[in-house]
Amino acid sequence: DAGVIQSPRHEVTEMGQEVTLRCKPISGHNSLFWYRQTMMRGLELLIYFNNNVPIDDSGMPEDRFSAKMPNASFSTLKIQPSEPRDSAVYFCASRIQGSNTGELFFGEGSRLTVL
Amino acid sequence: AQSVTQLDSQVPVFEEAPVELRCNYSSSVSVYLFWYVQYPNQGLQLLLKYLSGSTLVKGINGFEAEFNKSQTSFHLRKPSVHISDTAEYFCAVSELGGSYIPTFGRGTSLIVHP
Repeated sequence: DAGVIQSPRHEVTEMGQEVTLRCKPISGHNSLFWYRQTMMRGLELLIYFNNNVPIDDSGMPEDRFSAKMPNASFSTLKIQPSEPRDSAVYFCASRIQGSNTGELFFGEGSRLTVL
Repeated sequence: AQSVTQLDSQVPVFEEAPVELRCNYSSSVSVYLFWYVQYPNQGLQLLLKYLSGSTLVKGINGFEAEFNKSQTSFHLRKPSVHISDTAEYFCAVSELGGSYIPTFGRGTSLIVHP
């Protein structure tokens, strides 16, 4: 079975450039989550969607960050302009909405380095 | 709001020795509890979960955890570790009746030496 698919796996860019990270959730999962992982702050929830609609974006650090989910099988996280402090591993996760356990299925992550 | 504390950031251990990774949580309501494992350069995958019933939960790769409500703990154990168990381990909690979005601890790095 295909899991959550993220791309790119690695991205190195220069400060000021636009970065777009992509995620394909597991087929049939209608909740999607974006997390950021850093040494300093651990795993932080940035935003999550139910049925393609953003529900809570209170974790998005700044206006430089935006996320979209145009359809059930695709989501993007965009950083514009990028800064060195955005360097982190960004994870996408999905589950079936209404799953009353909390279990999430994670992708392998996108490692972003901003020089 | 729920919170999770993983008391050890790093646990070194020799191969075939037992190990315990500690996790404490805080919540005003009943909770579900999880342990996830993250191998190098990979995403998180579920190791085990406590939803209800027996407080001793068995997971993959020989790991088990015990839910202790009075001590608000959910410690992870393995009687004999392998080199391949070297990874980052995350404890997580989600509250019943809410959005069931888990809150993760900071993680514990298990380092198994030969």
